[in-house]
Amino acid sequence: EVQLVESGGGLVQPGGSLRLSCAASGFTFSDYYMDWVRLAPGKGLEWVGRVRNKAMSYTTKYAASVTGRFTVSRDDSKNTLYLQISSLKIEDTALYYCARPNSGSGWTFDLWGRGTLVTVSS
Amino acid sequence: DIQMTQSPSSLSASVGDRVTITCRASQDIRNDLGWYQQKPGKAPKRLIYAASSLQSGVPSRFSGSGSGTEFTLTISSLQPEDFGTYYCLQHNDYPLTFGQGTKVEIK
Repeated sequence: EVQLVESGGGLVQPGGSLRLSCAASGFTFSDYYMDWVRLAPGKGLEWVGRVRNKAMSYTTKYAASVTGRFTVSRDDSKNTLYLQISSLKIEDTALYYCARPNSGSGWTFDLWGRGTLVTVSS
Repeated sequence: DIQMTQSPSSLSASVGDRVTITCRASQDIRNDLGWYQQKPGKAPKRLIYAASSLQSGVPSRFSGSGSGTEFTLTISSLQPEDFGTYYCLQHNDYPLTFGQGTKVEIK
């Protein structure tokens, strides 16, 4: 089955760190770029960042709100995407989704995980 | 950054109504736009890609149109299962940006 499964969320204090994971299965993970998107309580969807594939040298892109604090990476040998989040702020509280952009269909996200919840609170 | 202005922010309509949601981009994004539906507690679901291409398995009552800076998602005959929040997403340039969302309620 083609799927993405996130894990690693939890309760963390402001200024803390966390690493989220996204396990991919059912497709050739290494071929695809991969992204993180979040949904904060009462807010809309916000794109967080992207890691490209090996052919594109695993380069990364980020939203301004997370640049310097969040790092997207991947391990193609484990079919896993990561999001290292640090210097956490209250406003980083959100449900974090991993998503797959598909170049074969307009580069929009055709596959999403169910999300993992990060709560930043003292 | 490319700003996506989505309207309306919410709407309430009856079963069978025609519903239209609009996204305006702050600059030309060609047809680099998708539409998503999100229901509470669920991941977003892609409805439309490349502005007007219907995602496989999505009912034909959903359609997308537009290019450049103005885009429309139309539900030709609203059904009870169409409740949720709808978002547009531009992928023409980084950072990718979503519209603010349109919450659709069934009267």
